[in-house]
Amino acid sequence: DIVMTQTPLSLFVTPGQPASMSCKSSQSLLHSDGKTYVYWYMQKPGQSPQLLIYEVSNRFSGVPDRFSGSGSGTDFTLTISRVEADDVGIYYCVQSLQPPLTFGGGTKVEIK
Amino acid sequence: DVQLVESGGGLVKPGGSLRLSCAASGFIFSNYNINWVRQAPGKGLEWVSSISSSSTYKYYADSVKGRFTISRDNAKQTLWLQMNSLRAEDTAVYYCMRGAYWGQGTLVTVSS
Repeated sequence: DIVMTQTPLSLFVTPGQPASMSCKSSQSLLHSDGKTYVYWYMQKPGQSPQLLIYEVSNRFSGVPDRFSGSGSGTDFTLTISRVEADDVGIYYCVQSLQPPLTFGGGTKVEIK
Repeated sequence: DVQLVESGGGLVKPGGSLRLSCAASGFIFSNYNINWVRQAPGKGLEWVSSISSSSTYKYYADSVKGRFTISRDNAKQTLWLQMNSLRAEDTAVYYCMRGAYWGQGTLVTVSS
């Protein structure tokens, strides 16, 4: 199985400041079709996860442009350009290159 | 709008069984692979099982293999997860998900 490793475990961020988090996969997530199958979800307390970014860097419908994804191969980053109070939650990276789906352990974002 | 609505969770004794359902609407159900993902209290997301669009392929996490069975009825736009020989460590909120779309989850509690 592909292992997804997220760092850091938690982030304390001042509103208006940037935040970034990392996700590393145990093998390349680049498919022969040219797409890289890594996704970022955010889960607010008491809610289902919601998709932020698909295929490394594509924002899902309705996701604010302060969220961006980057990376390639095995190393990926989610960046929030200016953190808002509503961004509190746990962020997960996920790979769907090959079954089984595997999730990172999550990065918890909290506001200072 | 795409909707996934889980049901069937509840309190069950160790060794017991439950059948979860996921009713889908707002998209052509038969076109998509669907997944069950669970989240134990205070823990991260764990993939449980996947089924291909025509039920040809079924995958299970090692932790549930031989105890859980995934199935679907495309005409009824419904997904199921039959859970047998339940253990305390199966206690979790169970979500059905299709990429960007997640249900609200259904809580399964295994306790004597």
